Amino acid sequence: KQEVTQIPAALSVPEGENLVLNCSFTDSAIYNLQWFRQDPGKGLTSLLLIQSSQREQTSGRLNASLDKSSGRSTLYIAASQPGDSATYLCAVNPREGGSEKLVFGKGTKLTVNP
Amino acid sequence: KAGVTQTPRYLIKTRGQQVTLSCSPISGHRSVSWYQQTPGQGLQFLFEYFSETQRNKGNFPGRFSGRQFSNSRSEMNVSTLELGDSALYLCASSWDRLALTGELFFGEGSRLTVL
Repeated sequence: KQEVTQIPAALSVPEGENLVLNCSFTDSAIYNLQWFRQDPGKGLTSLLLIQSSQREQTSGRLNASLDKSSGRSTLYIAASQPGDSATYLCAVNPREGGSEKLVFGKGTKLTVNP
Repeated sequence: KAGVTQTPRYLIKTRGQQVTLSCSPISGHRSVSWYQQTPGQGLQFLFEYFSETQRNKGNFPGRFSGRQFSNSRSEMNVSTLELGDSALYLCASSWDRLALTGELFFGEGSRLTVL
């Protein structure tokens, strides 16, 4: 059974700092891995999608890497801003049983202080 | 282009009642998935529908059910509500198989409180 873990559960940094969020998964049989952002009481917004054959994806100040063999992914946020404050969720699309689902970690709650 | 629309956004029910939540996917999307989000368990997959057929189902009791209509709109129903069913229920849509596109677009959710 695929399990996704995110560390740390919460992170507080001053504005301008570069930071790394970690995600690990137990089964390397995945189609893709995705990072989402969730603001309080809201739905999820996709940030970066990495297919299983890829090693990284970049969008603006965000960079996500994937090491499928070790079951790890990182989300790097450069020059953090208060507007980056949100919960960041990592999710994998496992190859097991049908594949039309995502398995999520419990998220990292990020606070960027002005 | 309108996003995924969920109704109602908030609702309060009492134990033993039933509830129906509605989801309208992005135009052209034929797959609709449902997730439950709680502080303790995080986001958990409920079920997925494509062209009115349930393709995947998560590990939830039979009290949780869903369906999809010919226009791709979907509903989920929870019968005999329990306190533990209090959660944010999120609907997501995609235009093709998740394994191919990876693209999943979420609505803002329906916040259910069971008293």
